[in-house]
Amino acid sequence: GDSVTQMEGPVTLSEEAFLTINCTYTATGYPSLFWYVQYPGEGLQLLLKATKADDKGSNKGFEATYRKETTSFHLEKGSVQVSDSAVYFCALSDLGNFNKFYFGSGTKLNVKP
Amino acid sequence: NAGVTQTPKFQVLKTGQSMTLQCAQDMNHNSMYWYRQDPGMGLRLIYYSASEGTTDKGEVPNGYNVSRLNKREFSLRLESAAPSQTSVYFCASSDTSGAYNEQFFGPGTRLTVL
Repeated sequence: GDSVTQMEGPVTLSEEAFLTINCTYTATGYPSLFWYVQYPGEGLQLLLKATKADDKGSNKGFEATYRKETTSFHLEKGSVQVSDSAVYFCALSDLGNFNKFYFGSGTKLNVKP
Repeated sequence: NAGVTQTPKFQVLKTGQSMTLQCAQDMNHNSMYWYRQDPGMGLRLIYYSASEGTTDKGEVPNGYNVSRLNKREFSLRLESAAPSQTSVYFCASSDTSGAYNEQFFGPGTRLTVL
């Protein structure tokens, strides 16, 4: 079945450091891929998305490229800020199966000043 | 445009009590979902509704029932709450007719069962 695996946290970085959160997926079809962010006490917010191979999603300085050959969708940011501290979830959707989403377990990011 | 709203925000129940979590969306989405979030386990799908009048089980449906009251509303009922149902519950909706099929999430209901 479809599934998502992402690196375990927490990840602790200093402000302005480079961020990578790894995400790999298993899917039988051609899923769309997403990164969601969850701030403390809040629901999930869409951060970026990609619908087909080689697409790059980007938002607020974050980027991720849909790599079909390595079944990966790693999240990157060149210079993190304290305000980026949150939990990040990688997800895939199976539009052919009622758009069911499969989420990774989440990676907590702590950014220190 | 409120997006996805959920009530209540917090709830404490005793074992065996029942309650209904309410969810509504104003984006005219056809599909709606209920998830639970537990530490270290990400989000797990409880039930979903692909369209008004239909519901289906997700990954962890035991102990729950749902009702898709109309296109806007999708409720989750715990008939006899158990401590294992202590969790944060999220409702989500999506429009599956478009190319970008992201799910939009509500703020969550934090449920504690004693």
